[in-house]
Amino acid sequence: AQKITQTQPGMFVQEKEAVTLDCTYDTSDQSYGLFWYKQPSSGEMIFLIYQGSYDEQNATEGRYSLNFQKARKSANLVISASQLGDSAMYFCAMREGAGANSKLTFGKGITLSVRP
Amino acid sequence: GAGVSQSPSNKVTEKGKDVELRCDPISGHTALYWYRQSLGQGLEFLIYFQGNSAPDKSGLPSDRFSAERTGGSVSTLTIQRTQQEDSAVYLCASSPSSYAPYEQYFGPGTRLTVT
Repeated sequence: AQKITQTQPGMFVQEKEAVTLDCTYDTSDQSYGLFWYKQPSSGEMIFLIYQGSYDEQNATEGRYSLNFQKARKSANLVISASQLGDSAMYFCAMREGAGANSKLTFGKGITLSVRP
Repeated sequence: GAGVSQSPSNKVTEKGKDVELRCDPISGHTALYWYRQSLGQGLEFLIYFQGNSAPDKSGLPSDRFSAERTGGSVSTLTIQRTQQEDSAVYLCASSPSSYAPYEQYFGPGTRLTVT
């Protein structure tokens, strides 16, 4: 089974509206972390938000929030008040285990296009 | 401060040649990672260095791939006898080990094209 699943092939949203990007994960570890990265057409990977498996509250960072449903193993990214600059690829990733540093496993990504 | 830097930004090589890709991590970051991104795909883990520990090489696709990290800082990824399927963007990332959530900071990547 894939560890990170992002099944939405492409998403469109009207400027100023909210959009949810889906991510489901698979792990047998009790301790893990979930990340979302943004990759604009320029190719850089930009860290957006993090959710730890033991965090009781959903993470928020400005216009980004993470809808973490542990029992369903989902970690959806919500972008509020979309802006044209939000058009990019979005990747969900997971770090397994309690160690501070280990590899990330990435999903295949979702393309988001924001319409004016 | 300075971010992760990679060189070259683009590399075109002929099939069968060896290539070296360089990564300069953020100063003070003890962990360094190499990933590969094929066109339109997610990132594929290659190798990870943490301080003086033995590297995690579990993602290297074949023995043609190797990497080293000198002095706990700069890293070089070497691909020997390149094949066309090696064409991809090679991304390097680094992360601190002293504060959560230890997010990885990525460099701009090296786009490798094997002709």
